[in-house]
Amino acid sequence: KQEVTQIPAALSVPEGENLVLNCSFTDSAIYNLQWFRQDPGKGLTSLLLIQSSQREQTSGRLNASLDKSSGRSTLYIAASQPGDSATYLCAVYNFNKFYFGSGTKLNVKP
Amino acid sequence: GAVVSQHPSRVICKSGTSVKIECRSLDFQATTMFWYRQFPKQSLMLMATSNEGSKATYEQGVEKDKFLINHASLTLSTLTVTSAHPEDSSFYICSARDTRSGGTEAFFGQGTRLTVV
Repeated sequence: KQEVTQIPAALSVPEGENLVLNCSFTDSAIYNLQWFRQDPGKGLTSLLLIQSSQREQTSGRLNASLDKSSGRSTLYIAASQPGDSATYLCAVYNFNKFYFGSGTKLNVKP
Repeated sequence: GAVVSQHPSRVICKSGTSVKIECRSLDFQATTMFWYRQFPKQSLMLMATSNEGSKATYEQGVEKDKFLINHASLTLSTLTVTSAHPEDSSFYICSARDTRSGGTEAFFGQGTRLTVV
């Protein structure tokens, strides 16, 4: 069974810092990997989608990488802002299901 | 990106009553939708996969008679929590993929906060 782990569970940084969130998965036979943002009491907003054949995707200040063979993905956030404060979830899709990590709660201090 | 609308966003109901939650794909067709439950400070737990025109597939440990799922059209899936109890209080989220276009990205609804009193 696929297991997804996110490290760290929580992260607090001052505004302007670059940061990296980590995601690892146990079964490399994934169809794709997706990073989401969740604000308190809200649904999920899709940030980046990486297909299994891709190695990275970029959107604005966000860059996500995928190393399928080692079962790892990272989400890089450049020049963090207080508005980036949220919980970030990664999910892998295989066996016709999404498997979610437990998330990294990010706090960017002004 | 595609939009998934979930309604209601919040609902409070009395113990023993039933509550229906709707999940709609607004600008795409979704043959498959997913229903998740999220406990405080935890990640999403898949409850069931909703298939248009056929029975839903439930995850192990999820009561089929408790959580009724209907996916009658390509744009609407509903989750009905029957005979709700306080322990059913949770955050429920639906998800859909634009399967007709072969899309592989998942889009999520805004979630429904259910409180059973």
